[in-house]
Amino acid sequence: GNSVTQMEGPVTLSEEAFLTINCTYTATGYPSLFWYVQYPGEGLQLLLKATKADDKGSNKGFEATYRKETTSFHLEKGSVQVSDSAVYFCALSDASGGSEKLVFGKGTKLTVNP
Amino acid sequence: NAGVTQTPKFQVLKTGQSMTLQCAQDMNHEYMSWYRQDPGMGLRLIHYSVGAGITDQGEVPNGYNVSRSTTEDFPLRLLSAAPSQTSVYFCASSYGQGVNIQYFGAGTRLSVL
Repeated sequence: GNSVTQMEGPVTLSEEAFLTINCTYTATGYPSLFWYVQYPGEGLQLLLKATKADDKGSNKGFEATYRKETTSFHLEKGSVQVSDSAVYFCALSDASGGSEKLVFGKGTKLTVNP
Repeated sequence: NAGVTQTPKFQVLKTGQSMTLQCAQDMNHEYMSWYRQDPGMGLRLIHYSVGAGITDQGEVPNGYNVSRSTTEDFPLRLLSAAPSQTSVYFCASSYGQGVNIQYFGAGTRLSVL
């Protein structure tokens, strides 16, 4: 079945540090890939997405590139801020099968210190 | 826009009690789903619906019932609560076609004693 594996946290960085959160997936068909973010006390919200191989999703300084050859979708940001402290979830949706279901990784908690 | 609204935000139950978690969306989305979030487990799909009158089981459906009588509402029922159902519950909705961007409610934190 489909699955998502992301690096375990927690991750603690200083402000302006470089961030990478690794995500790899296993899927049949041609999934769409997502990063969702959950700020403290809130629900999840979409951060960025990519729908086909070599697509790059970007938003709020975050980027992730859909790499079919390595089945990866790593999240990166060049300079993190305290306000980026949150839990980040990688997820996939197998659109080719007509499924509307998302499969999530376990989440990575990021703390950014001033 | 209200988006996805979940009520209540917090709830404490005793083992064996029943309750309904409410979820409503005002975006005319066809697809709605319920997830539970547990530490170290990510989000796991409980039940989902692709439209009014249609529901199906997700990864962890046992102990939960759902119905979808309208496009807007998708309540989750616990018939006999158990301590293992202590969790944070999220409802989500999406258009259900094309790229599946889901919109989440703020969650319901449930404790079963």
